[in-house]
Amino acid sequence: DTVLTQSPDTLSLSPGERATLSCRASHDISNSLAWYQQKPGQAPSLLIYDASNRATGIPARFSGSGSGTNFTLTITSVEPEDFAVYYCQQRGYGGTFGQGTRVDIK
Amino acid sequence: QVQLVQSGAEVKKPGSSVKVSCQASGDSFSSFPLNWVRQAPGQGPEWMGGIIPVFGTTKYAQKFEGRVTITADGSTTTTYMEMFSLRSEDTAVYYCARSRREWELPTYFDSWGQGTLVIVSS
Repeated sequence: DTVLTQSPDTLSLSPGERATLSCRASHDISNSLAWYQQKPGQAPSLLIYDASNRATGIPARFSGSGSGTNFTLTITSVEPEDFAVYYCQQRGYGGTFGQGTRVDIK
Repeated sequence: QVQLVQSGAEVKKPGSSVKVSCQASGDSFSSFPLNWVRQAPGQGPEWMGGIIPVFGTTKYAQKFEGRVTITADGSTTTTYMEMFSLRSEDTAVYYCARSRREWELPTYFDSWGQGTLVIVSS
């Protein structure tokens, strides 16, 4: 299975700051990557698919980039409701997820 | 937009089995696969397998082959996940989730159930 490694484990930010989250794949997965947001007690929610496409209803401050083995999720200006855990996931064999990056309030 | 409603929490003994249900409404129960994803405490989600309801075609992650069975009942638009030989490490929240793309297993997941907590403890 493809292993996805996310960094950093935790990102401490103030509202209005820029967030940059990384996801590295153990081998080339082209653009077959999604990003999810998960808040406490809730299911994950799809943000980005195919590396750079926003899912329905997702604000423009969320953007995804990358291909091959290196991917990035950027939140241009973090809002209070964005403090959560973010996971990347690849849609190939095994459908594996990363271990997550927590974005918390500084 | 599909709504997915799961059955309630379960407490099971090691070695036993559990069956969790997920009823879909609000959209066609056909070519969009329904998947099972679990999340152990403090860990990332893990795709277990899925089913294409219109054909009953299933695919499982290698880790769960032979220990998990996923089925679907078109008459009630319900999918089921049954896990056997439970152990303490299976304690987790189990989610059903719909594939974003038709026919594709696995893929991205755009609708999720509320989750079912399964606790395995002696």
